[in-house]
Amino acid sequence: AQKITQTQPGMFVQEKEAVTLDCTYDTSDQSYGLFWYKQPSSGEMIFLIYQGSYDEQNATEGRYSLNFQKARKSANLVISASQLGDSAMYFCAMRGWETSGSRLTFGEGTQLTVNP
Amino acid sequence: DTAVSQTPKYLVTQMGNDKSIKCEQNLGHDTMYWYKQDSKKFLKIMFSYNNKELIINETVPNRFSPKSPDKAHLNLHINSLELGDSAVYFCASSLGAPGNTIYFGEGSWLTVV
Repeated sequence: AQKITQTQPGMFVQEKEAVTLDCTYDTSDQSYGLFWYKQPSSGEMIFLIYQGSYDEQNATEGRYSLNFQKARKSANLVISASQLGDSAMYFCAMRGWETSGSRLTFGEGTQLTVNP
Repeated sequence: DTAVSQTPKYLVTQMGNDKSIKCEQNLGHDTMYWYKQDSKKFLKIMFSYNNKELIINETVPNRFSPKSPDKAHLNLHINSLELGDSAVYFCASSLGAPGNTIYFGEGSWLTVV
């Protein structure tokens, strides 16, 4: 079984500042992938960043980086230089390679609001 | 070119009706999914097909029936719609091998009145 926990239902950040969205996970799989998705108010699910459990370096994609701490089972998303367009719901998700088939298991999401 | 496209985007229908949502992907993926997002924004998998074979079938009422005519298409048919079926339904696709990203369609907003 897999479980994703996002403990921040809502977060606020000032434009141009950095923000960290928390994600912890639990799985019995040795190999797995961690994902972050963004869902703006228009509703689509946008893939942001991926981290494999065996990747030694933290993933980065432009202003997004994933702070992966395997021993603590955390995969926090860091958004640098926040923009107004970053206001959205953010979902952490994982895909185990051994016991969970091909499914993604999602956390409950964090609603990020970027203030001007 | 939309990678994962689903139709219709919005659907308002009466209780008891039967409706279908269609999904197509042009990414060459071999695995397709249906996810349901409830009013609290929680996303939960319903079904998954790999090469037209059903591989994930979560605890979903049997009023919901997926059909995959080929690897690029996965449709969702819902019989005898109930008020509680109102949700956003997302189609998604990926390569089945571990480590591959799952890409989502834009969602289909279903409202049952």
